[in-house]
Amino acid sequence: KAGVTQTPRYLIKTRGQQVTLSCSPISGHRSVSWYQQTPGQGLQFLFEYFSETQRNKGNFPGRFSGRQFSNSRSEMNVSTLELGDSALYLCASSLVAGVNTGELFFGEGSRLTVL
Amino acid sequence: AQRVTQPEKLLSVFKGAPVELKCNYSYSGSPELFWYVQYSRQRLQLLLRHISRESIKGFTADLNKGETSFHLKKPFAQEEDSAMYYCALQPNSGNTPLVFGKGTRLSVIA
Repeated sequence: KAGVTQTPRYLIKTRGQQVTLSCSPISGHRSVSWYQQTPGQGLQFLFEYFSETQRNKGNFPGRFSGRQFSNSRSEMNVSTLELGDSALYLCASSLVAGVNTGELFFGEGSRLTVL
Repeated sequence: AQRVTQPEKLLSVFKGAPVELKCNYSYSGSPELFWYVQYSRQRLQLLLRHISRESIKGFTADLNKGETSFHLKKPFAQEEDSAMYYCALQPNSGNTPLVFGKGTRLSVIA
């Protein structure tokens, strides 16, 4: 079974630009979560999607947005990039969403560098 | 709000020594607790969860509700245990996401 796939793996942008990151979950998994990973803050939750609906949203500004498609693939978008947005963005999928979700399966991440 | 605290950013131990990675949480209900691990150049992956009460790669973790802790322990550290370890909490109330601590980097010295 293929794991969670994230594209692109690496990207460099400049301040003010926007970026779109993509995530393909494990086949059959309907829940997709996004996390921002930085050395100082660890993993911070961005949002979670289940059946094309945003179930939860973390404490990030409106510049961060996401969506999920009918095939469970998900994208996240960051507009008006700031230097502080430089991070590893992790996508994770799970079979269901909700209480006792169970194991999260993570992708390798998209490393974003903002210059 | 739920919070997970891992007080040590870096923990260095010698091979064969016991290791304990600390995790404290703040949550008024009955949470599910997890330990995730990220080895060098590998994906973040689940190591163990408290509800399973199992030992994985020699690691165990006991949920202490009185002390609100979920420390990860291994009696004899191995070099291959060197990795980044994250403690995570899943509130047992509604559809809420995993909350992670900031992580502890374990370095096992030969």
